[in-house]
Amino acid sequence: DGGITQSPKYLFRKEGQNVTLSCEQNLNHDAMYWYRQDPGQGLRLIYYSQIVNDFQKGDIAEGYSVSREKKESFPLTVTSAQKNPTAFYLCASSIGDITYEQYFGPGTRLTVT
Amino acid sequence: AQSVAQPEDQVNVAEGNPLTVKCTYSVSGNPYLFWYVQYPNRGLQFLLKYITGDNLVKGSYGFEAEFNKSQTSFHLKKPSALVSDSALYFCAVRDKGSSYKLIFGSGTRLLVRP
Repeated sequence: DGGITQSPKYLFRKEGQNVTLSCEQNLNHDAMYWYRQDPGQGLRLIYYSQIVNDFQKGDIAEGYSVSREKKESFPLTVTSAQKNPTAFYLCASSIGDITYEQYFGPGTRLTVT
Repeated sequence: AQSVAQPEDQVNVAEGNPLTVKCTYSVSGNPYLFWYVQYPNRGLQFLLKYITGDNLVKGSYGFEAEFNKSQTSFHLKKPSALVSDSALYFCAVRDKGSSYKLIFGSGTRLLVRP
């Protein structure tokens, strides 16, 4: 999947717990993204980062937080405030803005019970 | 409001036959349009994009798409389908409010039968 790793592949948590999803890229890309995928809904943007130490909210940022302390890393924390956290989470990166191809990681399937 | 629609949840085609996966968009001005493909339990892979220029765009794995401004469509096509083309296909358009945001369609599952 193009130099982007996400771990773990499957994650199970109890309701009320925060959980952090890892995303690492070795493509030297400036931009990184987090998407949420639910059946029949396509992908929705959670957060994106144009450059290290900077990030912006996407369309569904409530209940999520991110950091971008290193160019290679863009971890996503799903907090207990997220009402429906069970989903497939995809991380992506690109050289620049969306006119450039986005490279996606293999995804993390989070189940919260 | 900006949007992209994929009117078919699933497309079935026999191997060797031509395939079309439909996409229509609603964006003011000139759109930036994309197709991505997702194989089971994996991330998306870029197929092709239209930014400007020729209306017929050629992409990876023999796919092409035709931008039609009058019909606000960007249908994905392939002359001869392979069983290995079976996957989930997403059309996307750039959000005019941000050069870093894509608006994705809901996806179309392509099933190519032998």
